[in-house]
Formats: sequence, structure tokens, C-alpha cells
Amino acid sequence: EIVLTQSPDFQSVTPKEKVTITCRASQSIGSSLHWYQQKPDQSPKLLIKYASQSISGVPSRFSGSGSGTDFTLTINSLEAEDAAAYYCHQSSSLPITFGQGTRLEIK
Amino acid sequence: EVQLVESGGGLVQPGRSLRLSCAASGFTFDDYAMHWVRQAPGKGLEWVSGISWNSGSIGYADSVKGRFTISRDNAKNSLYLQMNSLRAEDTALYYCAKANKGITIFGGIFDYWGQGTLVTVSS
Repeated sequence: EIVLTQSPDFQSVTPKEKVTITCRASQSIGSSLHWYQQKPDQSPKLLIKYASQSISGVPSRFSGSGSGTDFTLTINSLEAEDAAAYYCHQSSSLPITFGQGTRLEIK
Repeated sequence: EVQLVESGGGLVQPGRSLRLSCAASGFTFDDYAMHWVRQAPGKGLEWVSGISWNSGSIGYADSVKGRFTISRDNAKNSLYLQMNSLRAEDTALYYCAKANKGITIFGGIFDYWGQGTLVTVSS
């Protein structure tokens, strides 16, 4: 099983700050790494696919990078509406796995 | 507009069974693989099971293998999860998710999610 480890688990940030969330895979997964945002009491929403590909309708302040085992989600100029949990997800092999999540709190 | 509507959740005693359903609309259902993902209260996301477009490829998490069975009825645009021998640790919100690929259950993304149906296993 491929284990995804996110860091940090929790971050408290101020609006307009730049935020970086990392996801490390226990073995190489190429670019089969995706990012989701889940706001309280909502379903997860796809933010970035295949490590760095943008999703229609997602604000351009969200971007992704990485390949192999190390990946990054970057949020430029954080907004209050970005308060949420963020999860990475690998679909390279079964079982499909998710990172443990990173919760962002806006100060 | 893609819609995924789960149903069938509820309170069930340990050891009993429950069948979840997911009604899909707004896309060509039989073109895509479908998945179940669950989230225990206050916890993260856990993949449960996936099924390819023609049911030819099926996979399960180790935590549910042998107890849960995924299936689909393309004529009814519906996905199912038969859950047997339920345990307290199966308590979670169960989401139905659409993949962007059809023939395999890996390699894809979950591009649409339902709102979830809550399963509570307790005596």
C-alpha cells in the first residue's frame, strides 16, 4: 500500500499569506497525485489533478507541483474562503489512498 | 449537471447488513468507473471500493474485503454497496464518487462527489 504523508497537519494563517502543503508518497507514483479541498459539512472538491494540472473553475491562486514521491500544493494570497481541509490522493495503484489531511485555519 | 445522490444509510447493529445506493445523472454513467469513499466522524478520507464501467475491474480496501460488495446497474444509472458483517469502525459518511476513467479503477481522479449517506453501526 502506498502511504501518503501530508505536512503540516494543521496551519493557522492570515489572509494574503502564501501557504505550502506537502505530500510525500512512500514510493514513486509518477504524477498520479491529486488534491482536494473539503470545507466544513461539504463534500470534497477536486483542486488539482495529476500533480500540476489546473481544474476549470478553481481559482488560479491554487497550484500544484512535484512528481515521483514529493508533491506540493501552493495557495498564493490566501483568502478567508480557503479555510478548509486539504487532502492529497494517489491513484497510481491499488489500494487507492489519501493523505491524512491538512486543516487550514484563517486567523 | 452531474448529480450523485446517495441513499440507504442509517443506524444498524453490529453484525447486520446494509445496502447503499447512488443514483447518477447528468453524464453517461456507463462510460465511467465509480467509487465509494468514506469519512469517519472528524476523520480523513478513506477509499472503500471501486468498479470499472463494465464491472470487469473491481477493488476493495483491505478493511472491507470479504464483507462489502460493490456493484452497478448501468441500465438504472446506479451504483451500490452491499455491506455485511458491519462493525463499529464502519461508522462513517459514505460518498459516491465518479472517476474520469472507465476501463480501470486506478489512474484516475474523483471529479464529482455526492453529498454522502451516513452509516452508524451501534448496538
